Amino acid sequence: DVKVTQSSRYLVKRTGEKVFLECVQDMDHENMFWYRQDPGLGLRLIYFSYDVKMKEKGDIPEGYSVSREKKERFSLILESASTNQTSMYLCASSSFHRDRTSLYGYTFGSGTRLTVV
Amino acid sequence: DQQVKQNSPSLSVQEGRISILNCDYTNSMFDYFLWYKKYPAEGPTFLISISSIKDKNEDGRFTVFLNKSAKHLSLHIVPSQPGDSAVYFCAGRGGATNKLIFGTGTLLAVQP
Repeated sequence: DVKVTQSSRYLVKRTGEKVFLECVQDMDHENMFWYRQDPGLGLRLIYFSYDVKMKEKGDIPEGYSVSREKKERFSLILESASTNQTSMYLCASSSFHRDRTSLYGYTFGSGTRLTVV
Repeated sequence: DQQVKQNSPSLSVQEGRISILNCDYTNSMFDYFLWYKKYPAEGPTFLISISSIKDKNEDGRFTVFLNKSAKHLSLHIVPSQPGDSAVYFCAGRGGATNKLIFGTGTLLAVQP
């Protein structure tokens, strides 16, 4: 069973802390994405990556950075956590090639519920 | 600029009846449209998709309709079941970039 694994389901961090959210996929997918989900705002793209050591800004990159040192791992970094970064964070991966299970779509992880206090 | 819009934040239907979830888009370059289903505290899971060259795709109880001239797609669930209660997101795929643009989601509640 193919998987996208996010290291933590729930996290509570203090304002100003540096926070690392880890994501690993075992499908040899080229593309990886970080989204956040907030009520009424849907899924908003933070950063994405099409290859190792490559990254591109999404729609809301401010306050975040990413790292992709290996194909299977994509990390989201909150340099100095703030209360407005309290959210559900979702990692996803996809292939450039037609995938029989999701047809160019994404496979998502289970999400990390981050609370910044 | 909201390229994909789901104007109904929530929908309530009776078990056994039809659920119709709607989605509008503005980007004519989308080549695929996808629907995802999300339960609380879980990641979204792929439900069904449709190519921009088709107008209908069916998979069991789920059918997606695409009206390109109106830039509108809809997801029909027949018959609706309590286990279908979830948030449904539609998404458009931006061509070769493989990037998905999601709508804001519709919370479906199926009443027993």
